[in-house]
Amino acid sequence: GNSVTQMEGPVTLSEEAFLTINCTYTATGYPSLFWYVQYPGEGLQLLLKATKADDKGSNKGFEATYRKETTSFHLEKGSVQVSDSAVYFCALSEDRDDKIIFGKGTRLHILP
Amino acid sequence: DGGITQSPKYLFRKEGQNVTLSCEQNLNHDAMYWYRQDPGQGLRLIYYSQIVNDFQKGDIAEGYSVSREKKESFPLTVTSAQKNPTAFYLCASSSFGGDLLRNEQFFGPGTRLTVL
Repeated sequence: GNSVTQMEGPVTLSEEAFLTINCTYTATGYPSLFWYVQYPGEGLQLLLKATKADDKGSNKGFEATYRKETTSFHLEKGSVQVSDSAVYFCALSEDRDDKIIFGKGTRLHILP
Repeated sequence: DGGITQSPKYLFRKEGQNVTLSCEQNLNHDAMYWYRQDPGQGLRLIYYSQIVNDFQKGDIAEGYSVSREKKESFPLTVTSAQKNPTAFYLCASSSFGGDLLRNEQFFGPGTRLTVL
């Protein structure tokens, strides 16, 4: 079945550091890929998405590239801020299915 | 403003009681979903509904029930049969409006249920 695996946290970085959160997936078809972010005590917000191979999603300085050859969708940001502290979820959805499969989430702490 | 509302934000229940969590959306979305979130386990799908008066079980439906009498509303009942109901519950919705929007889910702020 389809699945998403992302690096376990927590990840702790200093402000202005470079961020990578790894995400790999298993899918039988051609899924859409997402990164969602959850701030403390809130629901999830879509951060970025990519719908086909080699697409790059970007938002708020975050980027992720859909790599079909390595089945990966790693999240990156060049210079993190304290306000980026949150839990990040990688997710996939196949076009024929209305369900989204989420990874377990990676908690990110940014120190001032 | 369009969005998804969940109420209440915090809910306490005694063992053996049923409790209903509210989810309302004014986004005109066709599909609605309920997830359960536990620490370290990510989100798990409880139930989902693609159209009014129809819904399907997700991965962990046992001990839960839902209804979809209106497009805007998708309440979740946590029954006394649910053995470990303490968790954070998230409602979401999505639209079928074209390739770019398909499958993107919008989330409510969540309800934290605690069983005493």
